[in-house]
Amino acid sequence: DAKTTQPPSMDCAEGRAANLPCNHSTISGNEYVYWYRQIHSQGPQYIIHGLKNNETNEMASLIITEDRKSSTLILPHATLRDTAVYYCIVRGQGGKLIFGQGTELSVKP
Amino acid sequence: GAGVSQSPRYKVAKRGQDVALRCDPISGHVSLFWYQQALGQGPEFLTYFQNEAQLDKSGLPSDRFFAERPEGSVSTLKIQRTQQEDSAVYLCASSPRTVLGEQYFGPGTRLTVT
Repeated sequence: DAKTTQPPSMDCAEGRAANLPCNHSTISGNEYVYWYRQIHSQGPQYIIHGLKNNETNEMASLIITEDRKSSTLILPHATLRDTAVYYCIVRGQGGKLIFGQGTELSVKP
Repeated sequence: GAGVSQSPRYKVAKRGQDVALRCDPISGHVSLFWYQQALGQGPEFLTYFQNEAQLDKSGLPSDRFFAERPEGSVSTLKIQRTQQEDSAVYLCASSPRTVLGEQYFGPGTRLTVT
């Protein structure tokens, strides 16, 4: 599975959009981009995933560049409860998830 | 509905003791995964079951680690002769699909080896 690069930490003001970037320059054509987050002392929580097209659900939007070498997770109106570590994972056909270090997002009032 | 549950939530073991960690997946979920998360790190894959079959155990760090899922539902991760480096949070996840599906994680068991 391709490796990902994320900034170690980011801040966001409450109510503003949080844009979390991820680089995955070695992604191959059949690999998906998944995002999970982990709130302190809890297990990781699935957010969203995509292959080529942009995706949106009730939690977030996922924007994947045309060359698929990078993506951005967007939380449109961040709240204090969105403070967590966000993991970008590139996943092939295998079942396991390979987590990196993630981005620690702090949403501030 | 009920999510993935794990027990115990916290376990303190003396070095050399054996421990058993339990995972109750979401009912009907085919796939079950175990991960190990050291302090300040992302989770690392240990092993994967599809029903009762252990299809991937490439992440188990040593032969002291053993996992089973005999009836394709509840799973147990056993660590024999625990060592201090085994101290970590052990996470279980289940998925309704065999490939690519979302994984639903339990709260984890925090193991501390003294």
